[in-house]
Amino acid sequence: GAGVSQSPSNKVTEKGKDVELRCDPISGHTALYWYRQRLGQGLEFLIYFQGNSAPDKSGLPSDRFSAERTGESVSTLTIQRTQQEDSAVYLCASRKTNYGYTFGSGTRLTVV
Amino acid sequence: GEDVEQSLFLSVREGDSSVINCTYTDSSSTYLYWYKQEPGAGLQLLTYIFSNMDMKQDQRLTVLLNKKDKHLSLRIADTQTGDSAIYFCAGTALGGYNKLIFGAGTRLAVHP
Repeated sequence: GAGVSQSPSNKVTEKGKDVELRCDPISGHTALYWYRQRLGQGLEFLIYFQGNSAPDKSGLPSDRFSAERTGESVSTLTIQRTQQEDSAVYLCASRKTNYGYTFGSGTRLTVV
Repeated sequence: GEDVEQSLFLSVREGDSSVINCTYTDSSSTYLYWYKQEPGAGLQLLTYIFSNMDMKQDQRLTVLLNKKDKHLSLRIADTQTGDSAIYFCAGTALGGYNKLIFGAGTRLAVHP
């Protein structure tokens, strides 16, 4: 598609449940990033994928968080045993060249 | 690693110029970006500057880069109410697909 697509746009889940967030990058973009934005705060890097290289997971806050991406296609971010502190907007971005990160509209996650 | 800092809030009168400032720590930052985020919306790339440039102008936007002081600014001429948003400064280092590191964002409020 023309842009980065994320789904769902909103997700409300009960504490302790697992959630899966999806990102469809722009076709041909080899790099894909996940960020988290808590209410009123800046963007916090979580993980990035570049082609078939090992992902940079240095931003994942705990082992409850994991992400997968097959090749240059869709990525899923999974949060297990969700906590209220996980409530945030999760943003995905993709990039083809040295500039031009394109962000999706995000998934707003609310843990109740 | 990179650290990016911004002032949190700026209030200007409609028609005046706005200047949003940003400092960064990583002297190898190759690309520096300005993103705009309107309420409830995703991130919109406004402009970027390559580290071998001092200035870049794009219509009402002027980006100034002082590499010696690791200082980046975004000037918005003739600020309008539609410019009210949060502005994020972000940097990345050379090396392919390194992650963007964001500042906490500057909230610009434009009043009549």
